[in-house]
Amino acid sequence: AAGVIQSPRHLIKEKRETATLKCYPIPRHDTVYWYQQGPGQDPQFLISFYEKMQSDKGSIPDRFSAQQFSDYHSELNMSSLELGDSALYFCASSGRLVHYEQYFGPGTRLTVT
Amino acid sequence: AQTVTQSQPEMSVQEAETVTLSCTYDTSESDYYLFWYKQPPSRQMILVIRQEAYKQQNATENRFSVNFQKAAKSFSLKISDSQLGDAAMYFCAYRSIETSGSRLTFGEGTQLTVNP
Repeated sequence: AAGVIQSPRHLIKEKRETATLKCYPIPRHDTVYWYQQGPGQDPQFLISFYEKMQSDKGSIPDRFSAQQFSDYHSELNMSSLELGDSALYFCASSGRLVHYEQYFGPGTRLTVT
Repeated sequence: AQTVTQSQPEMSVQEAETVTLSCTYDTSESDYYLFWYKQPPSRQMILVIRQEAYKQQNATENRFSVNFQKAAKSFSLKISDSQLGDAAMYFCAYRSIETSGSRLTFGEGTQLTVNP
């Protein structure tokens, strides 16, 4: 079965640079979620979109923005990167029939140097 | 806001034995969902099992089962006949029933080691 696709899988940036992470949900899923997982920590919710509208918002820094496009893929834009932004970023998706189950992508590992 | 607590940072079990991972949560909502996710060394988050709060029957998925005690706000995961491939970090998670797009709130995780 098709899974959530995230790109790139690994990304290395320098402080103050900008990064864009992409997420392609499972086909026919209309909701995407973004989570950040620091080393040795549990995933922390950033933001979610349902039918291209922001649905829930967590502890997402003002330097980050996200959107969901007409084809349901989503992008997380991160500017003025800081060392503390180094983490594993997960995208998850859910569908209409079982909307409460979130399926995670493999994650994008962001390293800020 | 809801909180999820996993009080066992690490657990170990012998292969073929049974192990139980604990999870408690705090919420003022009467209906919600609870999940267990597994994160192996690959770091992929894998959904193991789900429980709807309005269902009294405990969920079961093959060797995985839960003990859901709504009044006590407890949600433990039992793994029977443990296998080497079960070794992973296990996260308990809470989700509100209310709207599409609602977040998962995770516990701190329990690192499970399976000894041959």
